[in-house]
Amino acid sequence: SAVISQKPSRDICQRGTSLTIQCQVDSQVTMMFWYRQQPGQSLTLIATANQGSEATYESGFVIDKFPISRPNLTFSTLTVSNMSPEDSSIYLCSVDVEGGRGSSYEQYFGPGTRLTVT
Amino acid sequence: GQNIDQPTEMTATEGAIVQINCTYQTSGFNGLFWYQQHAGEAPTFLSYNVLDGLEEKGRFSSFLSRSKGYSYLLLKELQMKDSASYLCALSNTGKLIFGQGTTLQVKP
Repeated sequence: SAVISQKPSRDICQRGTSLTIQCQVDSQVTMMFWYRQQPGQSLTLIATANQGSEATYESGFVIDKFPISRPNLTFSTLTVSNMSPEDSSIYLCSVDVEGGRGSSYEQYFGPGTRLTVT
Repeated sequence: GQNIDQPTEMTATEGAIVQINCTYQTSGFNGLFWYQQHAGEAPTFLSYNVLDGLEEKGRFSSFLSRSKGYSYLLLKELQMKDSASYLCALSNTGKLIFGQGTTLQVKP
């Protein structure tokens, strides 16, 4: 398994400002992911954070709005830029690790960052 | 593209067995995950199926049939704490595509 922490756990921000969310893992992992969960909805993948290269974004998400850093194999940040109330969501990072069952693996989520934009 | 369907809500009785279904249409995937999510918390990993068949882990079992585009999560000996949302997700090179989740309410 993996122990994942996120900072901050929650924040209330004003429209037009930016917030950087940190994700720390207790072991080195190749792949880290950032998801968003809007109120009452399921999770949607924002991007894959690649170590040593630019993040790979999913359709509907762009680097200018959600810049991502991945300076090493245990850490990543996601910035939500120029925020609007529509950005109010829970933001979660996740990692996948070897499941110890041959070819299978397991993917774990951090505790999430609850963002409210006013 | 990918399309994943789950029932929106289910209700079951404490001590009973409940099966939560997940059907999907996709051009390809590596495996299928099931997660449990309590209100206000992050999703918790339950199971990961790569091959067809049943994976059992304590009170929880998950089944996958690739040919039928179908999976289910089976919860036995239901407890009140099992009241939560259950999410199925397809994995493609590590990326997860989630269904909308099934909210399970366990009643005494």
